[in-house]
Amino acid sequence: EAQVTQNPRYLITVTGKKLTVTCSQNMNHEYMSWYRQDPGLGLRQIYYSMNVEVTDKGDVPEGYKVSRKEKRNFPLILESPSPNQTSLYFCASSTGETQYFGPGTRLLVL
Amino acid sequence: SQQGEEDPQALSIQEGENATMNCSYKTSINNLQWYRQNSGRGLVHLILIRSNEREKHSGRLRVTLDTSKKSSSLLITASRAADTASYFCATDAYNNNDMRFGAGTRLTVKP
Repeated sequence: EAQVTQNPRYLITVTGKKLTVTCSQNMNHEYMSWYRQDPGLGLRQIYYSMNVEVTDKGDVPEGYKVSRKEKRNFPLILESPSPNQTSLYFCASSTGETQYFGPGTRLLVL
Repeated sequence: SQQGEEDPQALSIQEGENATMNCSYKTSINNLQWYRQNSGRGLVHLILIRSNEREKHSGRLRVTLDTSKKSSSLLITASRAADTASYFCATDAYNNNDMRFGAGTRLTVKP
């Protein structure tokens, strides 16, 4: 089944404790991206990747890192999480037109 | 920054009625897409309309695009309780990988 998977789905952590949210797709898409969703703000793009070893900043990259060592994986790294990074995070991969979204990761930073 | 803005923010209708949601955007686009999101879950692609198209249908969905007004509408006909969800428009200004989403319209269909 074609899908985008994210782990973990739910995470509660404390300020400053490094964490990684994994994202994997099995559709051989070159393009992948990360979004955060906050009430009233819609989805805002954090980072995107056009292909392996190619990443670029989206609208709200501060406090986040990504890597794209393999085509299928695009992890999101929070080196020192802060409470304002409490949000719902979505990974997506794309054919170049339609985006396919993962199920989301709900993160709470205390 | 957000490109699309949906209107209304929330819409509540009875089952069987039609639901219309609007989207306005600011810059020229290549295409506009509509996505649906069930509460707290990932977005699901519904329909894509290109800048040279004016109307597109898919099942009970009808999308229109008016590039002169920089606006689009999504019509869901004969709504069902299962259509209850948030609906987002997304535009790409430069390429299909640089998409901007609006804040969404929350649709509630009462049985």
